[in-house]
Amino acid sequence: DAGVTQSPTHLIKTRGQQVTLRCSPKSGHDTVSWYQQALGQGPQFIFQYYEEEERQRGNFPDRFSGHQFPNYSSELNVNALLLGDSALYLCASSLIGTNIDTQYFGPGTRLTVL
Amino acid sequence: QKEVEQNSGPLSVPEGAIASLNCTYSDRGSQSFFWYRQYSGKSPELIMSIYSNGDKEDGRFTAQLNKASQYVSLLIRDSQPSDSATYLCAAPGVNTGRRALTFGSGTRLQVQP
Repeated sequence: DAGVTQSPTHLIKTRGQQVTLRCSPKSGHDTVSWYQQALGQGPQFIFQYYEEEERQRGNFPDRFSGHQFPNYSSELNVNALLLGDSALYLCASSLIGTNIDTQYFGPGTRLTVL
Repeated sequence: QKEVEQNSGPLSVPEGAIASLNCTYSDRGSQSFFWYRQYSGKSPELIMSIYSNGDKEDGRFTAQLNKASQYVSLLIRDSQPSDSATYLCAAPGVNTGRRALTFGSGTRLQVQP
């Protein structure tokens, strides 16, 4: 049973550049949520995708955008990178239901902005 | 007031002891709670979920929920050095439309051999 996968593992960018991170959900899951985790903090919710649409969004600027494909995989795009965007980016997958569903995290992508 | 709050620690316990990790939440509408373990440099791993008042046991782990006091705890019995990690408490947050998780900042646990 394949778990949540993310790519790349690590990424180094400079300020002002753009980055795309990728996520494949756990087999059987249809919902993907993205989180940003700064050092020493808990993960912060960025947005969630279901049925190829953004279902919910956290308190992040429009520089953060995403996409979900028909096979449920997802991308997170960040434009005009700032130093403060340096963080661990986590993808979590779940199966939609009537309440919050158990979320399983991928290994994460460590983004460093110089 | 943060939706989910934890003491950042570190909480240091000797090997074999019981580690008690605590979490409080502000949203009385929260119905489900999750504990994740995160090793340094790794992603969070789900270890327990709890939905009803009372205790839920899974191996060496026991989650306790008290909705009246808005309090969730995680007990780790017979603590091992391999339990040394940051433990994250999470609940469906109002700020996520209760569709995703709001996390506390985590409690770092150190188990001394």
